Amino acid sequence: EDKVVQSPLSLVVHEGDTVTLNCSYEVTNFRSLLWYKQEKKAPTFLFMLTSSGIEKKSGRLSSILDKKELFSILNITATQTGDSAVYLCAGGSQGNLIFGKGTKLSVKP
Amino acid sequence: NAGVMQNPRHLVRRRGQEARLRCSPMKGHSHVYWYRQLPEEGLKFMVYLQKENIIDESGMPKERFSAEFPKEGPSILRIQQVVRGDSAAYFCASSPGQGGQPQHFGDGTRLSIL
Repeated sequence: EDKVVQSPLSLVVHEGDTVTLNCSYEVTNFRSLLWYKQEKKAPTFLFMLTSSGIEKKSGRLSSILDKKELFSILNITATQTGDSAVYLCAGGSQGNLIFGKGTKLSVKP
Repeated sequence: NAGVMQNPRHLVRRRGQEARLRCSPMKGHSHVYWYRQLPEEGLKFMVYLQKENIIDESGMPKERFSAEFPKEGPSILRIQQVVRGDSAAYFCASSPGQGGQPQHFGDGTRLSIL
């Protein structure tokens, strides 16, 4: 059965800290790994990764995929209170996405 | 450049009634996906549609649930004879095509069953 597992489930840090969120996956006909940020409403797209070892960056966020070990990490440097959210990881195959339960990140001032 | 539009944002129904959830994809997107999110759970895939076609409904309950994406108008997720267990947030996503493109999500419809 396809599954995506994220860790930790929750994390509390202080502003300025660096965090690493983990995602492991087992997805049949795997094509891509996606990261989303969910605050109170729509999950907002962050990254889509299809190739191993190529880091994607957007400001203080970066992510990388390891297709051999079947995992991905999302790094956030110099965290801010606005980074507080649930971060979702999803494995994509033919069309649908298989989501993990998310990591709830709380950044305290 | 409007995003994925879902309505209503909140829907309250009594047990046994019907619920209709609507989703208009982003402009230029012809692929629509519906997901359900229960409290403390991840998003669960329900159905994937293109215009006038259901591509994958493997996540849809066999009874009471149906989805369509007509040639004109929004995609509709229909739940007949709702039960308390149907209470959840229902999210719609869209993409331009199937492979190689990320799905973009709407704000969801929160369905509450009394």
